[in-house]
Amino acid sequence: DAGVIQSPRHEVTEMGQEVTLRCKPISGHNSLFWYRQTMMRGLELLIYFNNNVPIDDSGMPEDRFSAKMPNASFSTLKIQPSEPRDSAVYFCASSDRGGRLYNEQFFGPGTRLTVL
Amino acid sequence: QQQVKQSPQSLIVQKGGISIINCAYENTAFDYFPWYQQFPGKGPALLIAIRPDVSEKKEGRFTISFNKSAKQFSLHIMDSQPGDSATYFCAASKDQTGANNLFFGTGTRLTVIP
Repeated sequence: DAGVIQSPRHEVTEMGQEVTLRCKPISGHNSLFWYRQTMMRGLELLIYFNNNVPIDDSGMPEDRFSAKMPNASFSTLKIQPSEPRDSAVYFCASSDRGGRLYNEQFFGPGTRLTVL
Repeated sequence: QQQVKQSPQSLIVQKGGISIINCAYENTAFDYFPWYQQFPGKGPALLIAIRPDVSEKKEGRFTISFNKSAKQFSLHIMDSQPGDSATYFCAASKDQTGANNLFFGTGTRLTVIP
């Protein structure tokens, strides 16, 4: 398996522009997580889905952020409009809930977003 | 509010030494405690994990010590190597409630000096 795939790997945009980050989870995994990592705040959970349904979006910073999971193999995180303080590395992770006691999350390589 | 508190923020250890990273939590509903390792430019990856029904788990040079009464757990890296230089995150989740989101600590940047 190729693991969790994220695109783009790097994104540089100007303040006010719309940014869309994409994630393809590991095939067969039914949970998907979006995280943001910064030096100041560490690794923050933004939102997660189980079986394509958003379960907890309390970590989404504000209405400028939205996430969708239209099917089991694709999710997007959109920022509109983007601001310089959104600059961070955004990670997508997936896991298989399938009745297991342990829920290892497999992280993608991340998207480094820079908003000028 | 940080659900899992981690210390130290950074750690420098000589090759062959022992690296110790500590975490504490308040929520007694937590029942799964993993440690993730992150190398620069990469996503975090699971290193080792423990359930609260045991006090210690060892995998190679890596050991988790768990103190349920104190609500603390720690990662010990024996015979630390330069290749262990990375950022380490502790985490906790409430598996039994059905929620599978992880609450991460703020991370510890470990540098092992040759």
